[in-house]
Amino acid sequence: KAGVTQTPRYLIKTRGQQVTLSCSPISGHRSVSWYQQTPGQGLQFLFEYFSETQRNKGNFPGRFSGRQFSNSRSEMNVSTLELGDSALYLCASSPGQGSETQYFGPGTRLLVL
Amino acid sequence: DAKTTQPPSMDCAEGRAANLPCNHSTISGNEYVYWYRQIHSQGPQYIIHGLKNNETNEMASLIITEDRKSSTLILPHATLRDTAVYYCIVRESFYTGTASKLTFGTGTRLQVTL
Repeated sequence: KAGVTQTPRYLIKTRGQQVTLSCSPISGHRSVSWYQQTPGQGLQFLFEYFSETQRNKGNFPGRFSGRQFSNSRSEMNVSTLELGDSALYLCASSPGQGSETQYFGPGTRLLVL
Repeated sequence: DAKTTQPPSMDCAEGRAANLPCNHSTISGNEYVYWYRQIHSQGPQYIIHGLKNNETNEMASLIITEDRKSSTLILPHATLRDTAVYYCIVRESFYTGTASKLTFGTGTRLQVTL
């Protein structure tokens, strides 16, 4: 099976702009979780989507949002970008029926100037 | 906050076994121990997980103490490609509203040398 894919892999934006990142889970997986990784805060959970519904949410401001489509693909959006949003954004997929193993994609590296 | 404690760094000679410890003294009976690793700037890679029994797969072995308060990840023959940050994570074994969230600590930076 193909692994988790994320697009784009690299992105440069300026403050105030918005950005949309995409994640395609492993075939058959219905749960997609998003994480942010920065040098200062490490890996932090953003949110999880399952069957097009947000099932769990981390402690991030409302500028961070996401959605999931009927084919389980997911997007996350960050509005009004700040310099501190520069990070590696990772998504992970799992079957979604229980507490199964999550498999991560390669990430999208976002640089905000 | 992460429920695990790991040494910040370790060194291992190539070809030798790498033994990475993890303390999880507050683990509850329904929580798994998961191990992931992250090679520089890549997505975390799943390695292995276990509940109470020792586990082995093609990548590594996981030894969990009888009281489940600590565990050791063993890479039997470390290579330079095993240089990475290794994360030990405690996670609920059945789905609840928060089980989907993996809480990463700072991990152990393993450096494999010639």
